[in-house]
Amino acid sequence: DVVMTQTPPSLSVAIGQSVSISCKSSQSLVHSDGKTYLNWLLQNPGQSPKRLIYQVSNLGSGVPDRFSGTGSEKDFTLKISRVEAEDLGVYHCVQATHVPYTFGAGTKLELK
Amino acid sequence: EVQLKESGPGLVQPSQTLSLTCTVSGFSLTDYSVHWVRQPPGKGLEWMGVMWSGGSTAYNSALKSRLSISRDTSKSQVFLKMNSLQTEDTAIYYCTRPGFDYWGQGVMVTVSS
Repeated sequence: DVVMTQTPPSLSVAIGQSVSISCKSSQSLVHSDGKTYLNWLLQNPGQSPKRLIYQVSNLGSGVPDRFSGTGSEKDFTLKISRVEAEDLGVYHCVQATHVPYTFGAGTKLELK
Repeated sequence: EVQLKESGPGLVQPSQTLSLTCTVSGFSLTDYSVHWVRQPPGKGLEWMGVMWSGGSTAYNSALKSRLSISRDTSKSQVFLKMNSLQTEDTAIYYCTRPGFDYWGQGVMVTVSS
């Protein structure tokens, strides 16, 4: 199974700051169809996860452009510019290239 | 509007079988797969398995021996059955679409006597 190593486990930020979260996979996430199925999700407290980014860098529907995703092969980053209060929660990376799909352990974003 | 909704018992006794239903609307099960994901309290997300749009399934290897996913396309429902439940199976169980673009609200399942 592909192991997703997500860091840091937690972040303490002030509103308006920018932050980055890393996700590294144990295998290349390039699918045989040429696409890379790496997604980023945000789970606000008590809520179901919500997709932010799909296929590394594509913004999900209704997601503000303060969020951006970069990376390739085995190394991926989510950047949040100008953090807002609604951004607080747990961020998850998940690969959907190889079955079984696998998640990172999550990064909890908290207010400083 | 795309919607997914999980339903099932909130409490299951140890060693018993869990049965959950994911009822979908706004899309067809023959066009989209449906995945099951669970989250133990205070922990991360775990992919459990999938009902592909063509009708085949795939499972998390750690759960494969206990897990079965099926569907009724006429009712737009996907079913999860997992046997030999233990306390470690206490979790919120979600169904979600491919690409994780839509999620159900989740159903909390507690395994306890």
